Amino acid sequence: QKEVEQNSGPLSVPEGAIASLNCTYSDRGSQSFFWYRQYSGKSPELIMSIYSNGDKEDGRFTAQLNKASQYVSLLIRDSQPSDSATYLCAVKAGGTSYGKLTFGQGTILTVHP
Amino acid sequence: SQTIHQWPATLVQPVGSPLSLECTVEGTSNPNLYWYRQAAGRGLQLLFYSVGIGQISSEVPQNLSASRPQDRQFILSSKKLLLSDSGFYLCAWSRTGGDGYTFGSGTRLTVV
Repeated sequence: QKEVEQNSGPLSVPEGAIASLNCTYSDRGSQSFFWYRQYSGKSPELIMSIYSNGDKEDGRFTAQLNKASQYVSLLIRDSQPSDSATYLCAVKAGGTSYGKLTFGQGTILTVHP
Repeated sequence: SQTIHQWPATLVQPVGSPLSLECTVEGTSNPNLYWYRQAAGRGLQLLFYSVGIGQISSEVPQNLSASRPQDRQFILSSKKLLLSDSGFYLCAWSRTGGDGYTFGSGTRLTVV
């Protein structure tokens, strides 16, 4: 069973702080890694993708990947109340998997003013 | 640009009634298509995926079925709904060989 694990939270941070969201995965053959943001009652929205070890930055978001440790994280700098949402980590297995993504349970983030 | 349409947005159905949810993608051809379900307070569960017309793979045995009658159309069906079928149903697409999904807006199904 290929698994993706996240702390369910909730993670509460003050406005302007850095929010750190973590994810581990069990399949060492995993090739691609994604972070989705899901507002309450809405569908998930892709915010970051990362494919190689290291950091990838996009605005206030930084994704970090460490394949040796089977670990991927998302940092949100200068957190805003509008960042309050559930963040889903998703992993694509290697090989012929037809693009199937396995999702973690999600981490609820609350940014308070 | 590519867009994905999913309807209806909400649905309340009695136990034992049939179900048909439709999803269409515009602006691309030969997409990979997926149906996910998200139960209340739970993660996303992959139900079906399709890599082409008439090609359906089921991930979880259940009371549901899927069909792909046209390249950019994906339908989720049930002959008789169960209470346990309630949830948030999401259609998604990705490029053949591509990675990240784009999700539709979802259908919230309540079986009563």
